Amino acid sequence: DGGITQSPKYLFRKEGQNVTLSCEQNLNHDAMYWYRQDPGQGLRLIYYSQIVNDFQKGDIAEGYSVSREKKESFPLTVTSAQKNPTAFYLCASTLTGSRDNQPQHFGDGTRLSIL
Amino acid sequence: QKEVEQDPGPLSVPEGAIVSLNCTYSNSAFQYFMWYRQYSRKGPELLMYTYSSGNKEDGRFTAQVDKSSKYISLFIRDSQPSDSATYLCAMKNSGYSTLTFGKGTMLLVSP
Repeated sequence: DGGITQSPKYLFRKEGQNVTLSCEQNLNHDAMYWYRQDPGQGLRLIYYSQIVNDFQKGDIAEGYSVSREKKESFPLTVTSAQKNPTAFYLCASTLTGSRDNQPQHFGDGTRLSIL
Repeated sequence: QKEVEQDPGPLSVPEGAIVSLNCTYSNSAFQYFMWYRQYSRKGPELLMYTYSSGNKEDGRFTAQVDKSSKYISLFIRDSQPSDSATYLCAMKNSGYSTLTFGKGTMLLVSP
């Protein structure tokens, strides 16, 4: 079955530690996105990538980093510079180019907490 | 003024009721409109996807877009307890990759 897989489902971070959240898709989608969801705040865009080896900052990129070395994979690193990392992190993907204006599809998220 | 406004709820209804969920927006360039359903501890699931003004129906769900009023709605007929979830509206410009989301409305359908 095609879909978006996020792992792990739950993650704990110690003070001063970087942690990496995995997002893999087998939908052959071009673009991938990372969102952060906090209670009462909706989804806020962290980073997105429309093509391999290229990515753009979203609205809240500070304290986060990404890479896009493969079309299928878009890992997100939450660095120690992110002082309030506790949130639900969602990865999404979609088609672009001539098939533009397609909706985004989401994984089931990773819940990150501070120890 | 926020780009997309959505009442957070919770909206509580009895089973079988007709539910109306709404979003208003300020950016007249939005052309594509989506409704997502999100269960607790899960990712959003696409329910409806519409372009420009008009209605779209899929089973018990109807999405309505009124671009002149910058107002979109999702109607759920014969609501079921399994419809209890948070409903997110989202929209985008043509040619733009990113979406703008409402904050979501929590719906509770009691048996």
